[in-house]
Amino acid sequence: GQQLNQSPQSMFIQEGEDVSMNCTSSSIFNTWLWYKQDPGEGPVLLIALYKAGELTSNGRLTAQFGITRKDSFLNISASIPSDVGIYFCAGQLGNNNDMRFGAGTRLTVKP
Amino acid sequence: DAGVTQSPTHLIKTRGQHVTLRCSPISGHKSVSWYQQVLGQGPQFIFQYYEKEERGRGNFPDRFSARQFPNYSSELNVNALLLGDSALYLCASSMGTNPGYTFGSGTRLTVV
Repeated sequence: GQQLNQSPQSMFIQEGEDVSMNCTSSSIFNTWLWYKQDPGEGPVLLIALYKAGELTSNGRLTAQFGITRKDSFLNISASIPSDVGIYFCAGQLGNNNDMRFGAGTRLTVKP
Repeated sequence: DAGVTQSPTHLIKTRGQHVTLRCSPISGHKSVSWYQQVLGQGPQFIFQYYEKEERGRGNFPDRFSARQFPNYSSELNVNALLLGDSALYLCASSMGTNPGYTFGSGTRLTVV
């Protein structure tokens, strides 16, 4: 089963609103990653975080690696319709370790 | 450059049958990982291969096996298929040292 707790499970927002989702774990990870998955496609990497406390931006997306190394959040500012999709967090212990994924946050943006 | 390519894109099999899924990594990538994604859940790790050797195995039964070829492409084999094996099977490749893999579009397996 999943080792990461991702919340919320789903979000319905109006275009232009900001979005925040987070991921917590009982285990420490050395790398946190955020992916977006569109229907019929594989997950696409949005942001990778490599250091506790790190705050990284990619356009309208901002993600942070929690100080305890057990959590991370993703913010999306000024949402647009193409932000619709499922967002997954993933944690990785080391370069040679597999990624553990959360169950995803389904984002719906109403025009 | 081509991304991670997987074949076939869709597959329907009967319970008890065997299936082989294929993956070609991005050129220059030596690591391939396989994930199973059941509807409504995140991907779950099955195998990782690097330089043709198994580097990691997830919590899946022995019916699941994989191998990596000298050109770094990979096959995932599943024997004695069960209805619960129905899922999207994802392949991801990387250089081997960087975390954060690049995924293919997956193979949608339906077991009936």
